[in-house]
Amino acid sequence: KNQVEQSPQSLIILEGKNCTLQCNYTVSPFSNLRWYKQDTGRGPVSLTIMTFSENTKSNGRYTATLDADTKQSSLHITASQLSDSASYICVVRGGTYKYIFGTGTRLKVLA
Amino acid sequence: AAGVIQSPRHLIKEKRETATLKCYPIPRHDTVYWYQQGPGQDPQFLISFYEKMQSDKGSIPDRFSAQQFSDYHSELNMSSLELGDSALYFCASSLEGLAGGPDNEQFFGPGTRLTVL
Repeated sequence: KNQVEQSPQSLIILEGKNCTLQCNYTVSPFSNLRWYKQDTGRGPVSLTIMTFSENTKSNGRYTATLDADTKQSSLHITASQLSDSASYICVVRGGTYKYIFGTGTRLKVLA
Repeated sequence: AAGVIQSPRHLIKEKRETATLKCYPIPRHDTVYWYQQGPGQDPQFLISFYEKMQSDKGSIPDRFSAQQFSDYHSELNMSSLELGDSALYFCASSLEGLAGGPDNEQFFGPGTRLTVL
């Protein structure tokens, strides 16, 4: 069964601190993996995309990693800001038209 | 750059009424997806269309129907509304045809918040 699981479910950190979000998937076939940021009441916005051959990709303070062998991905946020407070969703593309959403991690950054 | 447009942004209906949500994809995008997101939940895939044909079906209730029109916009029709239908409904679009590629990205609209009273 195609599944995408994320951990932790929720996370509270202080502004300026770093954090790492995890995503484990069992999706086949695998096309790519995206991390989305979703602010409350808004549509998800793509942060990074990882394909099978990529291990690390950065987008500003966001760095995503992918281990295709263990089917794990992580999103590292550096020097967190209050505006980073959002839900972070891992989405795996498993073939044409197939997008499997993770359970999401709700991040709260406190001043 | 043009984004995915959804209308209306907010909708209030009463139980057993009907509702129609509209989605206008990014120009040239050929695929539209509908998602339902309940409070504090993850988006749940409902249905998708590629070139005006249904391409995949998720957890869409029988009371709901959708279609994609010749101009690629899509409408989600919801009948016999129930309290549990209250949610954010997202539309996303992507380019899946030959002009697309394996890294096709879904671009999400701002969502329609449906409240059923």
